[in-house]
Amino acid sequence: GAVVSQHPSRVICKSGTSVKIECRSLDFQATTMFWYRQFPKQSLMLMATSNEGSKATYEQGVEKDKFLINHASLTLSTLTVTSAHPEDSSFYICSAREGLRQGTDTQYFGPGTRLTVL
Amino acid sequence: GNSVTQMEGPVTLSEEAFLTINCTYTATGYPSLFWYVQYPGEGLQLLLKATKADDKGSNKGFEATYRKETTSFHLEKGSVQVSDSAVYFCALRPAGVLGRLYFGRGTQLTVWP
Repeated sequence: GAVVSQHPSRVICKSGTSVKIECRSLDFQATTMFWYRQFPKQSLMLMATSNEGSKATYEQGVEKDKFLINHASLTLSTLTVTSAHPEDSSFYICSAREGLRQGTDTQYFGPGTRLTVL
Repeated sequence: GNSVTQMEGPVTLSEEAFLTINCTYTATGYPSLFWYVQYPGEGLQLLLKATKADDKGSNKGFEATYRKETTSFHLEKGSVQVSDSAVYFCALRPAGVLGRLYFGRGTQLTVWP
């Protein structure tokens, strides 16, 4: 099946620094990528939807200046957490949608990135 | 609005036991319903899905039936294996909305030999 990778898998940073997380579709072209955030024992919360070559669409309550999303190619999307603070510590998961080939709408998920802000 | 309520875990079972993980949803119209599974260290994988009322999704011995009258999509397996130990997520996609998924909290399943 299709594979989505995330890098890094874990990151620890100091408060006030910025952190970039990469999401790659390894064997398919992803026209749309999604970024989720998951708190312990909570559901995945969609943060934003990004379409290749256009600006991301953010969910209500998500600060777009804080969580910068770039989807510059059909295989790569990045999430940058700017001026990170301890409350940004969380598990960030991306998914990639292969497209509308033959009417399918299948999402493939990355393994997630654990961010800890000290 | 759209939401998914999933039974809280963890669920601990002996091998060959029967499994049920409850999932109910709130949505307008006729959403598509999904179960995803996440094995340790891996991304979520689609386990099964159903796109309309009374549909039954099945895969790897797991089944779930889309019940419109009870707004439920409970996951079942007749005989679990140690290899089924994972976190299971119920999710819905609103009707007519491509890609947008709403997830439940996830249920940790541990199966002992």
